[in-house]
Amino acid sequence: AQSVSQHNHHVILSEAASLELGCNYSYGGTVNLFWYVQYPGQHLQLLLKYFSGDPLVKGIKGFEAEFIKSKFSFNLRKPSVQWSDTAEYFCAVNAIGAGSYQLTFGKGTKLSVIP
Amino acid sequence: DTGVSQDPRHKITKRGQNVTFRCDPISEHNRLYWYRQTLGQGPEFLTYFQNEAQLEKSRLLSDRFSAERPKGSFSTLEIQRTEQGDSAMYLCASSLVITSGSADTQYFGPGTRLTVL
Repeated sequence: AQSVSQHNHHVILSEAASLELGCNYSYGGTVNLFWYVQYPGQHLQLLLKYFSGDPLVKGIKGFEAEFIKSKFSFNLRKPSVQWSDTAEYFCAVNAIGAGSYQLTFGKGTKLSVIP
Repeated sequence: DTGVSQDPRHKITKRGQNVTFRCDPISEHNRLYWYRQTLGQGPEFLTYFQNEAQLEKSRLLSDRFSAERPKGSFSTLEIQRTEQGDSAMYLCASSLVITSGSADTQYFGPGTRLTVL
């Protein structure tokens, strides 16, 4: 069964700092990759996704992620965070190579941005 | 823009009682998923439907759990004889798949928080 690891449980940054959140998955076949964000008091929202093509994908609010197949990684980045980015971020994998459409999520990384 | 809706948003019940949750997907979405999320964890897959057909079930879905999507629109998730370990947030997601076998993007609802006393 596939698994997803998010390396950081809680990240604290000052506004304007750069952000990189790690995500590694275990499945060796074809995957679709996602980052979801959950702002305080709100439901999960899609931040960005990778299905195929350019491994560098851009999402909403200035976020981007890079798929590195050889490293089984899909790290999330943002060059300059804002206080409004305070939220919990979840990486998710869909192992379509296994014929399954379920998402396997990591445990999440809580981001706190200090004004 | 009508997203995925879930009802109720909160449910408190006593151990041993049955509970039922409802999910209304985004209009015309043909796939519907149920996940469970406990504190400090990411969502865990329970089951999914394509139209009326339940196509995949997780081993987490014990025989006390049953899900239906009778007309291919809304879905219900029932838990019988609830246990304290069932306390969690139950999330519903929906997606639109044009071609069978193609990838999809799941859109999540606000969840139903279940507390079993």
